[in-house]
Amino acid sequence: NAGVTQTPKFRILKIGQSMTLQCAQDMNHNYMYWYRQDPGMGLKLIYYSVGAGITDKGEVPNGYNVSRSTTEDFPLRLELAAPSQTSVYFCASSYSHEQYFGPGTRLTVT
Amino acid sequence: AQKITQTQPGMFVQEKEAVTLDCTYDTSDQSYGLFWYKQPSSGEMIFLIYQGSYDEQNATEGRYSLNFQKARKSANLVISASQLGDSAMYFCAMREASITQGGSEKLVFGKGTKLTVNP
Repeated sequence: NAGVTQTPKFRILKIGQSMTLQCAQDMNHNYMYWYRQDPGMGLKLIYYSVGAGITDKGEVPNGYNVSRSTTEDFPLRLELAAPSQTSVYFCASSYSHEQYFGPGTRLTVT
Repeated sequence: AQKITQTQPGMFVQEKEAVTLDCTYDTSDQSYGLFWYKQPSSGEMIFLIYQGSYDEQNATEGRYSLNFQKARKSANLVISASQLGDSAMYFCAMREASITQGGSEKLVFGKGTKLTVNP
């Protein structure tokens, strides 16, 4: 099992550009999550999904969109990137209380 | 109001000694879960231990144990026999089970404690 995979590992965006962060899991987990981690801080939940076709907002959803068309994939879309979105983004999945995290995507918006 | 408070930005411990990392939480739910994660300098998040609010025994996983004091709303992580590889950031997190409060699947994290193990 590859677990939770994320692409890309690093990305630099210009202000106003858009991009999609990819997340995939091969554990057949129903629950998937997107978090951001700002320097020196804990993780904050952006969006989550309890199954294909079902998504809901977390603590900091503004500026992001998600979709969940399959159990495996949970992409995060950034529209009109802003410097405030510079962060490390983690995707996670779970079937019970333990969440399995991907390696993260380090995004810089300049 | 902060839901998870970790008051120790940094902690130092000698190799082979035990260390306690503090975590207090705030919730009005009766049903909730508490988690500890480790984040080494490489950046990945590693699940360590889980405690449910109704669990009567403190959770243990190898060298990790969770000192759960419900009345005090504290969930401290105890690492016994520290190793150099334990040097990392440690995050406490909580999941509230109440769907009416938008809980059930949302983890809220503290700001973390940086643990350094000295040889």
